[in-house]
Amino acid sequence: AQRVTQPEKLLSVFKGAPVELKCNYSYSGSPELFWYVQYSRQRLQLLLRHISRESIKGFTADLNKGETSFHLKKPFAQEEDSAMYYCALSSNAGNMLTFGGGTRLMVKP
Amino acid sequence: DTGVSQNPRHKITKRGQNVTFRCDPISEHNRLYWYRQTLGQGPEFLTYFQNEAQLEKSRLLSDRFSAERPKGSFSTLEIQRTEQGDSAMYLCASSYWTGGNTEAFFGQGTRLTVV
Repeated sequence: AQRVTQPEKLLSVFKGAPVELKCNYSYSGSPELFWYVQYSRQRLQLLLRHISRESIKGFTADLNKGETSFHLKKPFAQEEDSAMYYCALSSNAGNMLTFGGGTRLMVKP
Repeated sequence: DTGVSQNPRHKITKRGQNVTFRCDPISEHNRLYWYRQTLGQGPEFLTYFQNEAQLEKSRLLSDRFSAERPKGSFSTLEIQRTEQGDSAMYLCASSYWTGGNTEAFFGQGTRLTVV
């Protein structure tokens, strides 16, 4: 069975501090990993996916198959980064996503 | 707004009543997904369609839950004989699938409260 774990429900940092939102997964095959973000009163939206290897809004995430992790990082947090972040896994082509429980990021001024 | 549209946004119903939610996907999208999200949890996959075909429905929570996409455009999710445990946010998403994982676009959800 596939599972995604986000160990922190809440992460609070000051503006300008580095941020790392943790995500661990369990899946026996080759998963695709995603980070979704939900800003206040907005819909869930894709932030980035591991296959694209992009940096979006200064965020990056590296898939570590040995540690089965896909942590989201940003070197300097901004107040507008405050949101709910969900890590998600898809086992096949089809967007049947398995989500983690989410981490609320609060960036304080 | 040309994104995924869900109606109603909020629904309060008495236990035992049936409810139906509607999702209008982005017009050219061939795949449509339903998720449920309870408080403090991430979304949980329920079912999905490719055009009008329902390709996965084993994750529907019970036989009280059913979904349709009769013409391959909008979809409905029905819950019969609602229970208090059905209270949750129901999310719809759509994507244009041509093979591989493509971006899924989510609606704003329908919040169901069963009293």
